[in-house]
Amino acid sequence: QSALTQPPSASGSPGQSVTVSCTGTSSDVGNYNYVSWYQQYPGKAPKLMIYEVTKRPSGVPDRFTGSKSGNTASLAVSGLQAEDEADYYCSSYAGSANWVFGGGTKLTVL
Amino acid sequence: EVQLVESGGGLVQPGGSLRLSCAASGFTFSTYWMTWVRQAPGKGLEWVANIKQDGSEKYYVGSVKGRFTISRDNAKNSLYLQMNSLRAEDTAVYYCATHDKWAWDYWGQGTLVTVSS
Repeated sequence: QSALTQPPSASGSPGQSVTVSCTGTSSDVGNYNYVSWYQQYPGKAPKLMIYEVTKRPSGVPDRFTGSKSGNTASLAVSGLQAEDEADYYCSSYAGSANWVFGGGTKLTVL
Repeated sequence: EVQLVESGGGLVQPGGSLRLSCAASGFTFSTYWMTWVRQAPGKGLEWVANIKQDGSEKYYVGSVKGRFTISRDNAKNSLYLQMNSLRAEDTAVYYCATHDKWAWDYWGQGTLVTVSS
């Protein structure tokens, strides 16, 4: 299975909003509501931010919002803060017990 | 507090073998699917393998099928990854993670595997 497509980078100023896209196919993102998003700081383990497309785990700020349309999922971050600067990865179930990640997006807070 | 602690990484020659371990604590290990995810230096995340709660189902990414074996010991709250016939492209940080709600909610700190002569 091929990796999901994410833009290599995204940026925004403090307080602004930014959206990161994650494009798959009708075999993964488009066929299952099992898209999740992870935040990763350099040298650290990933952290779950969104699961099942739109759900936030306990403790994740509601500034982080997930959505999906067709074969593309999105992570929106509103009210950008310096601490949001990190790499973000999407993942989707791809059927037949297979899972696929996106290539990652480096979010810069200007 | 949930804790996942990987160990067993290191430098190995191409064609060699290595066994990774993941010690779990702070949750009921036997009730979770478990996963190994890897990240090559400077690259993105890649799902490697999943194992069901009782070990009866195991799934692998195509590139490691026949070379890697995931296993678990619920009595010891431990997850393992036996890696054989290692290749340079297997060089990565290997993370163990709990698999719940169709996502990976808890992660270890990772262990680095370097395959090089």
